[in-house]
Amino acid sequence: DAGVTQSPTHLIKTRGQQVTLRCSPKSGHDTVSWYQQALGQGPQFIFQYYEEEERQRGNFPDRFSGHQFPNYSSELNVNALLLGDSALYLCASRRWSTADGYTFGSGTRLTVV
Amino acid sequence: ILNVEQSPQSLHVQEGDSTNFTCSFPSSNFYALHWYRWETAKSPEALFVMTLNGDEKKKGRISATLNTKEGYSYLYIKGSQPEDSATYLCAPRGPGGYQKVTFGTGTKLQVIP
Repeated sequence: DAGVTQSPTHLIKTRGQQVTLRCSPKSGHDTVSWYQQALGQGPQFIFQYYEEEERQRGNFPDRFSGHQFPNYSSELNVNALLLGDSALYLCASRRWSTADGYTFGSGTRLTVV
Repeated sequence: ILNVEQSPQSLHVQEGDSTNFTCSFPSSNFYALHWYRWETAKSPEALFVMTLNGDEKKKGRISATLNTKEGYSYLYIKGSQPEDSATYLCAPRGPGGYQKVTFGTGTKLQVIP
């Protein structure tokens, strides 16, 4: 049973460029959340998707956008990249209607130069 | 928004020592609390989901308690082993599927052989 899979694992981009990160949730999960983890910090919530809609959003600018597909997979898009966007981006999935915890992917390490 | 504090931020213990650390959160609007273990170069792994005041959960040498009235949870590790070295994250969650999971900054544990 595959857990959460993310692609790519590593990525280097230049300031001003755009990037798309991808996530496939664990089988049976319908809710996907994205987190950004900068060095020395806990994961910071970006947004959450359920039923192909953004349900909640953290304190991130509009440059961060996302999408959820009918098969529950999700994308995170970041436009006009800044150096400060360099971080580990984690995708996590769970079932919407339970108290169960998240299952995390291994993350995408984004470096902006 | 739930403000989560974990203490200490980092901890070094000798192999065989027992240790504990704290997660503090606002007691209002509480629904569940999740503990995760995050080893270097791996994804965060769910340890416990706790929902009821007075809950105690145990997994091998690791156990956790929950006090929802005063807003804290303790994680205990008995007889620490080098493989316990990781960052331990707590994440309280509000009720309803909409509520995002808010992570603390974590306690980084290093067990010295």
